[in-house]
Parts: sequence; structure tokens; C-alpha cells
Amino acid sequence: QVQLMQSGAEVKKPGSSVKVSCKASGGIFRSNAISWVRQAPGQGLEWVGGIIAIFGTVNYAQKFQGRVTISADESTRTVFMELTSLRSDDTAVYFCARQSGYHYRGSSFDYWGQGTLVTVSS
Amino acid sequence: ETVLTQSPGTLSLSPGERATLSCRASQSVSSSYLAWYQQKPGQAPRLLIFDASSRATGIPDRFSGSGSGTDFTLTISRLEPEDFAVYYCQQYDTSPLTFGGGTKVEIK
Repeated sequence: QVQLMQSGAEVKKPGSSVKVSCKASGGIFRSNAISWVRQAPGQGLEWVGGIIAIFGTVNYAQKFQGRVTISADESTRTVFMELTSLRSDDTAVYFCARQSGYHYRGSSFDYWGQGTLVTVSS
Repeated sequence: ETVLTQSPGTLSLSPGERATLSCRASQSVSSSYLAWYQQKPGQAPRLLIFDASSRATGIPDRFSGSGSGTDFTLTISRLEPEDFAVYYCQQYDTSPLTFGGGTKVEIK
């Protein structure tokens, strides 16, 4: 049984950084890409970026290029997302989601973490 | 970027009725790399349909997906009380991966 367990809620000041973790259990860690998807309060879903663990390659949405870093620690089966230069409009629930295959293309999100609320406020 | 437009924004129906949700893509989604998700308040999305028409594990057969190219449809044949939720389509053909804006299915 695959489970994705995320770190707890964060409150950050504008201009600071946040690092959210997503620990995977079950399944074969390197076999699946993992992405981060965010959802602002009352809004829809937005893909932030993802990592292909088997190759160690990352792919970010253009909107977040330069501000986001996604990494993985295979020894602990944990994926991280760090977002810098936080603004109030980064306030959102951040989900990690496993993709059904090893690559972004052709792989839907079959398992999701419980979400981590990141609040950016002065 | 492939923009996905979902319609209607809100669908007001009664239990037992049929729901038809639309998702239109700004460019062709090759290999029908399109999924549908259900999201309830305070929960993570749940995968319903992948590759446009394949049901995910454990999804009841009242949920069905169809379409190809730029036009896709999610049909719920007979709404159960637990089906009232928000539904999102998502393409995983090209980067960036994108979602539609969602359709809320509410109780009439």
C-alpha cells in the first residue's frame, strides 16, 4: 500500500523560504516520478514541478523557475520542495503526488499526500 | 502550455440523476493522456479516470470517461450522495502539466 506522508503546516514571513517534505512508503521509490501540486484557498490545482528519481532530473513550471527546488533522498524515500522569496500569494496547500510511471509524460497522479498548508503572512 | 477549460462551472443535480462534465483542451492531447480527479473539502484529490477512459483501481463503474484530441467528457451515470464534490481534468501529455478550473457538482 503506497502512502505519502507530508510534513506539517508552516507559517512564514514574506521574503523567506519554506521546505516541505513528502515521505513515501510502499512501492518502489525510484520507479515513479513525484510532483508537487498546490491549491490556493478556494482555488483550483496548479502543478509546481516534479522529480524523476530514477534519473535525478527535475522539471519545473515556468512560473516557479528560479524560486523552487525539488530534490529527493533515496535513503529515506523522501522528496522535498523548497520555495524561496515567498509572497502572500504563495499561501496554499501543497500536495505531493506520485505519478503512475517514471516520467511526467504519460503518467497520471495515482497517490497523493495529505497536503501541507503554507501560510505567508507578515 | 495546454489550457484546459471545464464546463459547466457548477452542476446542480439530484441524487440518481446523470452528470455530464466537459473538459476542452487548447491543443490536442496526444495518446489521450488525460485524467479526471474528484476532490472533497479538506481532502486531497482522488484519481478517477486515466488515459481518458480507464477507471482507476476501486472506482465504481458509474464513473466513465470518453473523448480524444481536444474534447473529453466525464459521465456519472447515477449520482450517489458521496459523488457531490469538485471534479478536475488534467493533461499529462506536455509540460507544464495542467489542470482545468474544476466543475462543482452540487445537490439541487
